[in-house]
Amino acid sequence: KNQVEQSPQSLIILEGKNCTLQCNYTVSPFSNLRWYKQDTGRGPVSLTIMTFSENTKSNGRYTATLDADTKQSSLHITASQLSDSASYICVVSPGATNKLIFGTGTLLAVQP
Amino acid sequence: EADIYQTPRYLVIGTGKKITLECSQTMGHDKMYWYQQDPGMELHLIHYSYGVNSTEKGDLSSESTVSRIRTEHFPLTLESARPSHTSQYLCASSEPIPSSGANVLTFGAGSRLTVL
Repeated sequence: KNQVEQSPQSLIILEGKNCTLQCNYTVSPFSNLRWYKQDTGRGPVSLTIMTFSENTKSNGRYTATLDADTKQSSLHITASQLSDSASYICVVSPGATNKLIFGTGTLLAVQP
Repeated sequence: EADIYQTPRYLVIGTGKKITLECSQTMGHDKMYWYQQDPGMELHLIHYSYGVNSTEKGDLSSESTVSRIRTEHFPLTLESARPSHTSQYLCASSEPIPSSGANVLTFGAGSRLTVL
């Protein structure tokens, strides 16, 4: 069964600290992996998208890594800010379809 | 700033009422989607469209219906709302990335529906 599992489920960090969120998937075949940020009560916003040939991709203070062999991805947030408080969702595309497999997200709270 | 708009943002209605959730995008995207999301849960695709006059059901069974008469407009309708329809409904549209062909989704802000 195609699944995307994220950890931790929730995380609290202090402003200015770094953190890493994990995503493991069992989706096959694999086309690409995306990370989205979803603020409370809003729609998800795309942070990065990586194909199987890409190992890392950055978007400002966000850096995503992908290991297609172990089917793992991580999202690293550097020098966290209060505005980083949100749910971070890992999404995997299983191929040339519109069907995306969503994780349940990691809820990040950045405290002053 | 997102170019995809959903209205209403919040709606509280009684059981049995007919409701329509509006979704419009100004990006000229052919592909549009409706997702349903409950608190703390993953998004589930309930409807999608490849273009005008094209509508398909998604992975999650839904009693809602959709229409695509114009490229920019993809409304979702519930003929008779029930408490089990209480959820957040997210509309999205997409375009392919030229380098990879992957479809990048742009989401609206969502419509939170509560049926009493």
